[in-house]
Amino acid sequence: TQLLEQSPQFLSIQEGENLTVYCNSSSVFSSLQWYRQEPGEGPVLLVTVVTGGEVKKLKRLTFQFGDARKDSSLHITAAQPGDTGLYLCAGESSGTYKYIFGTGTRLKVLA
Amino acid sequence: NAGVMQNPRHLVRRRGQEARLRCSPMKGHSHVYWYRQLPEEGLKFMVYLQKENIIDESGMPKERFSAEFPKEGPSILRIQQVVRGDSAAYFCASSPGQGPYEQYFGPGTRLTVT
Repeated sequence: TQLLEQSPQFLSIQEGENLTVYCNSSSVFSSLQWYRQEPGEGPVLLVTVVTGGEVKKLKRLTFQFGDARKDSSLHITAAQPGDTGLYLCAGESSGTYKYIFGTGTRLKVLA
Repeated sequence: NAGVMQNPRHLVRRRGQEARLRCSPMKGHSHVYWYRQLPEEGLKFMVYLQKENIIDESGMPKERFSAEFPKEGPSILRIQQVVRGDSAAYFCASSPGQGPYEQYFGPGTRLTVT
């Protein structure tokens, strides 16, 4: 069974701090997505990474896909209260069309 | 371009009743996924469908649950004889089916079984 473990599970930080969220698996994925979900809403796609070692930047967010395509990280610079939410990674195994979601990281940024 | 639509947003059913959840994918998307999310947990894959075909239902309970995506109209997730343990948020996502198969989620249906 494929599993995606996210760490940390919970994170509470002050506005302006930096943070990194990790998404790890023993399985190889052909692509990996990161989502943010706010209470009462569906997940919103932030980024998709497909190439081992790929780095993508989205304003203050930096996403990296591991060289072996088994892990990924999300780094937020100078966090803001608007970054508060549940961050989910999801991996897709080649040919299965099925997405395995991570356990989630719940981030709270205090003003 | 309208996003993924789900209705109803909230559904209350008594034990033993049937629940029908609807999902209209984004325009041009022919792939639909259903997920279940329990409070404070991540999303669990249930079923993946293309128009008129169930591609993978490995995450869906064998009993009481069924899904369809007809040629015309929305995708339907049906839960028969609901039990309290079925209470959860059910999310639908659609994809154009072209690599790397990005998914776009609807707002979810929150099912409460009393």
